[in-house]
Amino acid sequence: GAVVSQHPSRVICKSGTSVKIECRSLDFQATTMFWYRQFPKQSLMLMATSNEGSKATYEQGVEKDKFLINHASLTLSTLTVTSAHPEDSSFYICSASAGISNQPQHFGDGTRLSIL
Amino acid sequence: AQSVTQPDIHITVSEGASLELRCNYSYGATPYLFWYVQSPGQGLQLLLKYFSGDTLVQGIKGFEAEFKRSQSSFNLRKPSVHWSDAAEYFCAVGARSNTGKLIFGQGTTLQVKP
Repeated sequence: GAVVSQHPSRVICKSGTSVKIECRSLDFQATTMFWYRQFPKQSLMLMATSNEGSKATYEQGVEKDKFLINHASLTLSTLTVTSAHPEDSSFYICSASAGISNQPQHFGDGTRLSIL
Repeated sequence: AQSVTQPDIHITVSEGASLELRCNYSYGATPYLFWYVQSPGQGLQLLLKYFSGDTLVQGIKGFEAEFKRSQSSFNLRKPSVHWSDAAEYFCAVGARSNTGKLIFGQGTTLQVKP
């Protein structure tokens, strides 16, 4: 099946640090990638949708300058949490799809971000 | 408004017993429907999906789901649960457009008793 690799799996860093999370589709071309945030015992909250070669589309309430998304190739998207603070601590999950609606999203294993 | 409801937040079943997880959706048209499973600290794995055709779909790990248009439901079933099935289960709907965006239900936590 389709494989999506997300790295790192866990990050612990000081407040004010910027953190980059990578999402790679290993065996298919991901025209579209999605970034989610998940709080403990809750469902996934879509943060943004990124299409290769174009600017990401952010969901309402998500700060574009805080969560920088780059989707420079068909196999790689990155999420950078800029000047992270403790309230940014969360589980971040990416997914990738071939970009048309009848193709399922394939998820990475998530990144646990802890800001001290 | 589009929404997905999983009425059961937490379900406990005995190993070997049958399982049904409920999912109801509110959508303007027939959506694409998915069930995902999440183990603690991990991402989501696709169990099965419904796009069109036969309303009873088979998935991995012995799961199946039935799309019932009249009830706006897409319930997940398994005839005999294994201890390794303990996890969080998410139902999701997707638009029949090119956005590919999914709307997730709140999730159901499945606990399996030995």
